[in-house]
Amino acid sequence: NAGVTQTPKFQVLKTGQSMTLQCAQDMNHEYMSWYRQDPGMGLRLIHYSVGAGITDQGEVPNGYNVSRSTTEDFPLRLLSAAPSQTSVYFCASSYGYGDTQYFGPGTRLTVL
Amino acid sequence: AQTVTQSQPEMSVQEAETVTLSCTYDTSESNYYLFWYKQPPSRQMILVIRQEAYKQQNATENRFSVNFQKAAKSFSLKISDSQLGDTAMYFCAFMTGNQFYFGTGTSLTVIP
Repeated sequence: NAGVTQTPKFQVLKTGQSMTLQCAQDMNHEYMSWYRQDPGMGLRLIHYSVGAGITDQGEVPNGYNVSRSTTEDFPLRLLSAAPSQTSVYFCASSYGYGDTQYFGPGTRLTVL
Repeated sequence: AQTVTQSQPEMSVQEAETVTLSCTYDTSESNYYLFWYKQPPSRQMILVIRQEAYKQQNATENRFSVNFQKAAKSFSLKISDSQLGDTAMYFCAFMTGNQFYFGTGTSLTVIP
């Protein structure tokens, strides 16, 4: 099992550009989530999904879009990048409610 | 609103000694789960321990144990026989309503 994979590992964008962060898991997990990690603020939930075709907003959803067309994939789209979106982004998945989340290695995004 | 508070931004411990990391949380939910995650310099998030709130017995995993006080909404992590590899950022988290909430973390340094 590869677990949770994220691509790319690093990315630099200019303000106003759009991009998609990829996340995939091969553990047949129903739950998937996206977080951002900023210094001194821990991890904050952006969007999450409890199954294919179902997504919902977390604590900080503005400027981000998600979809879940398959159980395995959960891409995160930045519609128009802003410097405030400079952060480390983590994708995570878990089998069911209350189960342990398994994290990907993270993507460091810089918006200039 | 759900909140998680880790009041110790930094801690240090001598190798082979015991250290306790504090965590308090606030929720009006009755069904939730609690976690401690470790983030070493590699940035990978690794589960340390998981506690089900409806279980009164404190969870243990080898050298790691928790002191779960449900009435006080406290969930501290005890690390026994500290090892150099325990040097990392530690995050307390709880899960309810399909969402995870993380604290701001405690940076632990194990001194040889």
